[in-house]
Amino acid sequence: EDKVVQSPLSLVVHEGDTVTLNCSYEVTNFRSLLWYKQEKKAPTFLFMLTSSGIEKKSGRLSSILDKKELSSILNITATQTGDSAIYLCALYTGTASKLTFGTGTRLQVTL
Amino acid sequence: DAGITQSPRYKITETGRQVTLMCHQTWSHSYMFWYRQDLGHGLRLIYYSAAADITDKGEVPDGYVVSRSKTENFPLTLESATRSQTSVYFCASIAPGQKNTGELFFGEGSRLTVL
Repeated sequence: EDKVVQSPLSLVVHEGDTVTLNCSYEVTNFRSLLWYKQEKKAPTFLFMLTSSGIEKKSGRLSSILDKKELSSILNITATQTGDSAIYLCALYTGTASKLTFGTGTRLQVTL
Repeated sequence: DAGITQSPRYKITETGRQVTLMCHQTWSHSYMFWYRQDLGHGLRLIYYSAAADITDKGEVPDGYVVSRSKTENFPLTLESATRSQTSVYFCASIAPGQKNTGELFFGEGSRLTVL
């Protein structure tokens, strides 16, 4: 069974702080690693990473994959209260188009 | 608007009752999925379907039944609900162009409480 582990499980920061969320996995052969943001409802897609060392950026969010370390990080700079959410990491091996999700990191940004 | 719609959005039922959660998508995506989300477990795959009349078990299929007679519908049935099935259920699909990347589109979720 593919295993995806996220850390920390939860995090409380002040607005303006920078946070780093971690995702580690055990599978070495996979097609992509995906990050999702989940507020009150359905998860929404953030990033898809396939190649090691190439950073993906979207505004204050960025993510990078390290295939040597079997991990990925999601960085959020200058956090805002609107960043409060559960951040999910998922691994896609390509088998039957299934994703394996981590447990998620719950981020709370306070004023 | 095109997308995935789930119904009901909220449901309270009693132990032993049969419950069906509906999922309808307007994109004609081949692959559809049912996940449950619980604290401490993240999203876990219950069942998935590659096309109409093709379904397969995921990580936690016990106590659930699915069918897919039409491409656009993928209902999930709890034949005899148990308290451990209290959860938020998400239906999802994958676009043909995303089969190489795994990007899922999710419905809004159905919150089920079993008393």
